[in-house]
This record gives sequence, C-alpha cells and structure tokens, in this order.
Amino acid sequence: SQKIEQNSEALNIQEGKTATLTCNYTNYSPAYLQWYRQDPGRGPVFLLLIRENEKEKRKERLKVTFDTTLKQSLFHITASQPADSATYLCALEASNYQLIWGAGTKLIIKP
Amino acid sequence: GAVVSQHPSWVICKSGTSVKIECRSLDFQATTMFWYRQFPKQSLMLMATSNEGSKATYEQGVEKDKFLINHASLTLSTLTVTSAHPEDSSFYICSADQRGTLAGVPDTQYFGPGTRLTVL
Repeated sequence: SQKIEQNSEALNIQEGKTATLTCNYTNYSPAYLQWYRQDPGRGPVFLLLIRENEKEKRKERLKVTFDTTLKQSLFHITASQPADSATYLCALEASNYQLIWGAGTKLIIKP
Repeated sequence: GAVVSQHPSWVICKSGTSVKIECRSLDFQATTMFWYRQFPKQSLMLMATSNEGSKATYEQGVEKDKFLINHASLTLSTLTVTSAHPEDSSFYICSADQRGTLAGVPDTQYFGPGTRLTVL
C-alpha cells in the first residue's frame, strides 16, 4: 500500500541555521508533492508544490527538492527563525484530487 | 485570496446529540471540498470528498449515516456528526479545492482553521 514517512521525532534547530525535513514515500509515483505548515490547533497552510519533473523549487527562505529515484523530498528552511517553529506536513496526490498525508515533523527553532 | 472558514472553531456537546460544522470558501468557488479528522500527533485522515450538488464519497471505514455531508453550493459544505459519542472527539478540518485553470496544473487545497469537537 502507499505509504508516506516523515520523521516523527521533533527536530530542534538553532536560530539562523538551516532546517532540513525529510519525506519518503513507497509504492507510489506521484505527479507532484506538496508541503504544508500546521500550527497547533489550526488547519494546514499550503507552502510549496513541486512536480515530478522538477528537481528543486524555491520560495523565499524555503527550498524543496524532489528525487523520484530515491522516492524522497527534502524541505529546507534557511536562516531559520523561532517563528518557523511548527509541524510540517508533506502530501502526495492520489486519485480524484485527494492528497495522501504524512504524519508531519515538528520543527522547533531555538533562539 | 483562497480563504476557507470553519464554524464553529470549537464545540462541546453531550453524548447522543448532533453537531453541525460549516465550511465556507470565502473568495473562490470550490467544486470539491474535503473533510478530514486529525487525532493528536497523527496525520490528517480523509473522511470524505464532497462535490457540489452530488453525494459525498466516503472513505472506507467512515460511516456515511453518522457523518452527514451536504455540499449545497460552491462555497458551502457542512458536516453533521449525528448521535455523537466520546470517541468522535477529534479535530475536524475541511479543505476546498481551488481547481487549476490550466490543463495539467495541479490543484491546491486550502484548509479551514479546523473545529475541535469534544463529546462528553
């Protein structure tokens, strides 16, 4: 069955450093992959989408890579700030415009 | 743009009562809306896909008679939890699909802020 894995352990990063989060998937070949941010008690907020034919996508301090051979996406936040602390979810397209979700990785940026 | 609202943001009810949650797309028309539930520290679990003017498509294991979904217009979908029980306590989130205008452009889901349901 299709499976998405994100590191379930919280990631602690010092402010100003680059945070890197990983999303691995199996038994699937998605046309695109999305990253969302979710704050406690709130719905997810869309951040970036990367297509299968794109190796890298950037948006301000965010960078996403997509390696369809490794079946992996990396999400980077450069010059991290405490305000970047949140849970980050990756999602893959399934049929009928549905998304399959990872459980998310909690990122903590320490001042 | 692409704002989705949910109401209420939280609700506490007694076991056996019904609760209605509204999901609205405020500045765009959403052909498709999705309803999710999320338990603490777990991923979003899709409950159903709702298309305007037609019956919702429920995921396996989701009771359609318990979780009634009405998508009456392109900007409003409602989820009614009927005869709620404590095990229905969860965080319910809706999302609206802003369909791409160009062929081959992936769609993006915009999420509401969620509704925290607590059944006593």
